Amino acid sequence: DVKVTQSSRYLVKRTGEKVFLECVQDMDHENMFWYRQDPGLGLRLIYFSYDVKMKEKGDIPEGYSVSREKKERFSLILESASTNQTSMYLCASSWTGPYGYTFGSGTRLTVV
Amino acid sequence: QQQVKQSPQSLIVQKGGISIINCAYENTAFDYFPWYQQFPGKGPALLIAIRPDVSEKKEGRFTISFNKSAKQFSLHIMDSQPGDSATYFCAASSSSMKTSYDKVIFGPGTSLSVIP
Repeated sequence: DVKVTQSSRYLVKRTGEKVFLECVQDMDHENMFWYRQDPGLGLRLIYFSYDVKMKEKGDIPEGYSVSREKKERFSLILESASTNQTSMYLCASSWTGPYGYTFGSGTRLTVV
Repeated sequence: QQQVKQSPQSLIVQKGGISIINCAYENTAFDYFPWYQQFPGKGPALLIAIRPDVSEKKEGRFTISFNKSAKQFSLHIMDSQPGDSATYFCAASSSSMKTSYDKVIFGPGTSLSVIP
């Protein structure tokens, strides 16, 4: 089974801190994604990457950046955390195309 | 035009009953419609998916019904069980896009509770 591992389940950070969320997948998937999940809003795409060092903005990229230096690792960076970035963050990966996203278990980030 | 609408927002069903979740889309270029199931504390997992060349797909107690002309699709869970209690997301994407990293558009989710 493909595994997508997110480094932290729960994270509490202070306003203004730089925050790194790490995601690793073990099946050589080309595509990797970062979503945030908020009640009533579903899953909103922040950034995605279709190859090493390649990235594209999703629907809500403001306040975030990403890094993909190796194929298996995709990092989400909150440059200066704010309270409105308190959310559940989900990483996903997939082979080519839209088929069968595999999600990690999520990181619940609280910014105080 | 990229939105996927989903209803109801929440659903309570008696054990043994039928759970029905409805979704609608606007973009006629969408040609792949997956459903994801998410249990508390876990990420969503692919449950079942359909392409518009068929009107129905069944896997065990889960059935997707697809109405291409109405641009609607629905998930039916037969003989619903307490273990089916989860959040369900419908989604849509287009595999005809030129890029290989076709994005999936998710609906807002339905929280299903199956009570004994």
